[in-house]
Amino acid sequence: GQQVMQIPQYQHVQEGEDFTTYCNSSTTLSNIQWYKQRPGGHPVFLIQLVKSGEVKKQKRLTFQFGEAKKNSSLHITATQTTDVGTYFCAGRLANNFNKFYFGSGTKLNVKP
Amino acid sequence: GAGVSQSPSNKVTEKGKDVELRCDPISGHTALYWYRQSLGQGLEFLIYFQGNSAPDKSGLPSDRFSAERTGGSVSTLTIQRTQQEDSAVYLCASSFRLSGGPDNEQFFGPGTRLTVL
Repeated sequence: GQQVMQIPQYQHVQEGEDFTTYCNSSTTLSNIQWYKQRPGGHPVFLIQLVKSGEVKKQKRLTFQFGEAKKNSSLHITATQTTDVGTYFCAGRLANNFNKFYFGSGTKLNVKP
Repeated sequence: GAGVSQSPSNKVTEKGKDVELRCDPISGHTALYWYRQSLGQGLEFLIYFQGNSAPDKSGLPSDRFSAERTGGSVSTLTIQRTQQEDSAVYLCASSFRLSGGPDNEQFFGPGTRLTVL
């Protein structure tokens, strides 16, 4: 079954609006990574969170890792058309280091 | 090359035939991952190599799928007796990760688009 759930599946925003995608795991994660995949491209690494409650920022992007290390979010402030793509969370379960689970992804469309 | 390369980039085959997909990771990367991505879907984890060994093969969809990695470098994913549901993009990624150590950024190859007629 799906180990890492991600919502929403799609998000359409007007340029300048904010965007958030959420990931949730029923099992504690050892870490979580975020990737962006542009249409027709392959996933590109954005960031990794390891510590409980960790928050990291990259310009307009804010990443959070929950206190229980079971959920994470990516928030984009004032979206731009260059933000278009699918955002995936991914991580290794704390009790199984031999697999790497990707969320189902959130496809972001930004209207100019 | 500087990045992860995969070959072929596209493969069209007939149902029942075997196919072999190749991944050349970034030199020095100890960890190698295979994923499958169906159109518009997320990434399905298939298998992970640490060096030449794959600790857990349970992610492979069926016993028609097998993978190996030799010399801690090149990996091949083999699909025997292909079925139409095997059609997807097969992505390979590599990272520098010591066994039991922290994860690092995964660098993805461009993928192999497999179409089974």
